[in-house]
Amino acid sequence: EAQVTQNPRYLITVTGKKLTVTCSQNMNHEYMSWYRQDPGLGLRQIYYSMNVEVTDKGDVPEGYKVSRKEKRNFPLILESPSPNQTSLYFCASQGAGGNSYEQYFGPGTRLTVT
Amino acid sequence: AQSVTQPDIHITVSEGASLELRCNYSYGATPYLFWYVQSPGQGLQLLLKYFSGDTLVQGIKGFEAEFKRSQSSFNLRKPSVHWSDAAEYFCAVGARSGGYNKLIFGAGTRLAVHP
Repeated sequence: EAQVTQNPRYLITVTGKKLTVTCSQNMNHEYMSWYRQDPGLGLRQIYYSMNVEVTDKGDVPEGYKVSRKEKRNFPLILESPSPNQTSLYFCASQGAGGNSYEQYFGPGTRLTVT
Repeated sequence: AQSVTQPDIHITVSEGASLELRCNYSYGATPYLFWYVQSPGQGLQLLLKYFSGDTLVQGIKGFEAEFKRSQSSFNLRKPSVHWSDAAEYFCAVGARSGGYNKLIFGAGTRLAVHP
């Protein structure tokens, strides 16, 4: 089954404690993205990757890091989480190609930073 | 700059009633348009998409959307709502950015369905 998986689904942590949210896709997609979803703001892109070792900032990259060492994996790293990073996070993947805008989303990770 | 506006934050309808969710976009070229649905505790699922051709597109779960270039709109409709349609709905426009095809999302419309 084609899918995007994220772990963990729920996470409560304290300010300043480094954490990583994993994302994996089994569709051999070139592109992967991270979004955060906040009430009234919709989904905002944090980072994206066009291929292995190729990443770039999205609209709200501050406080986040990513890496893409393998095509299937795209972890999101919060080196020093703060309460304003409490949010619902989604990973997504999409294929390459001229008309390929359709994204496939993971189930989400709800993060609370106290 | 590209943007998507969903004017209605919350909508409540009765089960069996018709539904229309509004979406307006700002994009200079021919847009690629999408509607996604997010059920409680779930990720986003694609309902339908418009790339070109017929301006009335059919999607899953009985939804349809109509692209109106003159109004810069892509409204989502369903003739008879079911209780299971209660969810949050996101409109998105595809935009080319530095060799990457990105999606720009609206703020979402939360739909409640009364029995």
